Amino acid sequence: EAGVTQFPSHSVIEKGQTVTLRCDPISGHDNLYWYRRVMGKEIKFLLHFVKESKQDESGMPNNRFLAERTGGTYSTLKVQPAELEDSGVYFCASSPSGKETQYFGPGTRLLVL
Amino acid sequence: GQSLEQPSEVTAVEGAIVQINCTYQTSGFYGLSWYQQHDGGAPTFLSYNALDGLEETGRFSSFLSRSDSYGYLLLQELQMKDSASYFCAVRDRSSGTYKYIFGTGTRLKVLA
Repeated sequence: EAGVTQFPSHSVIEKGQTVTLRCDPISGHDNLYWYRRVMGKEIKFLLHFVKESKQDESGMPNNRFLAERTGGTYSTLKVQPAELEDSGVYFCASSPSGKETQYFGPGTRLLVL
Repeated sequence: GQSLEQPSEVTAVEGAIVQINCTYQTSGFYGLSWYQQHDGGAPTFLSYNALDGLEETGRFSSFLSRSDSYGYLLLQELQMKDSASYFCAVRDRSSGTYKYIFGTGTRLKVLA
């Protein structure tokens, strides 16, 4: 069974540019989460999809962040325009309905210069 | 609001036993999970406690006391490969939906 995959693994962009991160969850997992970790700090919740619907997006920092989940499959997280404080590792995780285990992807390391 | 506290770093020797504590504060506690993350890797699930008591999975055990808002992860027979960061995470429903709140992580160093 393929795990959660994320693309790209690394991204270096300049302030003001746009970046789109992609997450492919494990097939059949209805729940998809986005998290961000800034070095030395907690893994911070950004939002939660159930299938294609946003269940909770209370962790999204501001309206520069836009997440979508097309047809309840893969998800994208767009940052436009990027700011320096957006740098960090963005993790995606998925889980099947009714289960506690979250399966994390390897993360996308974003550096905004 | 919600908060979790865990030690930033713990050091132990191979073969020893180490306990990583986690205290939490939330009005909508539903359960406590533990995740392991090696440098540069993805967090991986270790355990989940919804009820008070001890859950054992091989060398790892996790404990929860809901009345004390406290839990811990116990690692026995430490091996070098256990050197990693360990995160506790609360499943919280105080916002009306379920979401996971992670601690800042405890970096475990296992010495030979």
